[in-house]
Amino acid sequence: QTVVTQEPSFSVSPGGTITLTCGLSSGSVSTTYYPSWYQQTPGQSPRTLIYSTNTRSSGVPDRFSGSILGNKAALTITGAQADDESDYYCVLFMGSGIVVFGGGTKLTVL
Amino acid sequence: QVQLVQSGSELKKPGASVKVSCKASGYTFSSYAMNWVRQAPGQGLVWMGWIDTSTGIPTYAQGFTGRFVFSLDTSVSTAYLQINSLKAEDTAVYYCARWATTVTKNFDYWGQGTLVTVSS
Repeated sequence: QTVVTQEPSFSVSPGGTITLTCGLSSGSVSTTYYPSWYQQTPGQSPRTLIYSTNTRSSGVPDRFSGSILGNKAALTITGAQADDESDYYCVLFMGSGIVVFGGGTKLTVL
Repeated sequence: QVQLVQSGSELKKPGASVKVSCKASGYTFSSYAMNWVRQAPGQGLVWMGWIDTSTGIPTYAQGFTGRFVFSLDTSVSTAYLQINSLKAEDTAVYYCARWATTVTKNFDYWGQGTLVTVSS
């Protein structure tokens, strides 16, 4: 079974830049997996940040950007703010109507 | 505006069944697939599967076959998740999430979540 991998946790200083990644247990992530990224704060529903690798969802600040870095999808936050402290999940489309969530990254801003 | 409004929290005993609803508004219900996502306490998001809202045909992810049933009532633009023979490990928040398009392949709108607690 395919496993989508993410860093369990990360920390960044306010104003700093951080890149979270989304990989596969076997193989490389490419745009054909249509990677998307979701932000979730405790007690809230997820919020869509990025879809189709690098398209920001409506209302998402441009400090959030998506890309492919090497063999992984990546979410970069430039100029991190305190309210960016959240859990971040990537989703990969595996074809045949199947999607898989990554395990999520808990981001701390301190 | 697009809204997905889910039914309220449920407390059930092991072995019982529960049916969670997700009422859509602000768009043509049958034009967008509906997904279900589970989040156990303190855990990550897990995709359970989806239902084609134009045909009613469900697709279940591995681990969500047998006891889990997706259904629709298109007359009231509502999707349902039924879980039968509940177990303690089914305790979780369940989200419905709209599948944006077959082009972008992402979730765009989410329900507020429904907490299902299974306890004797």
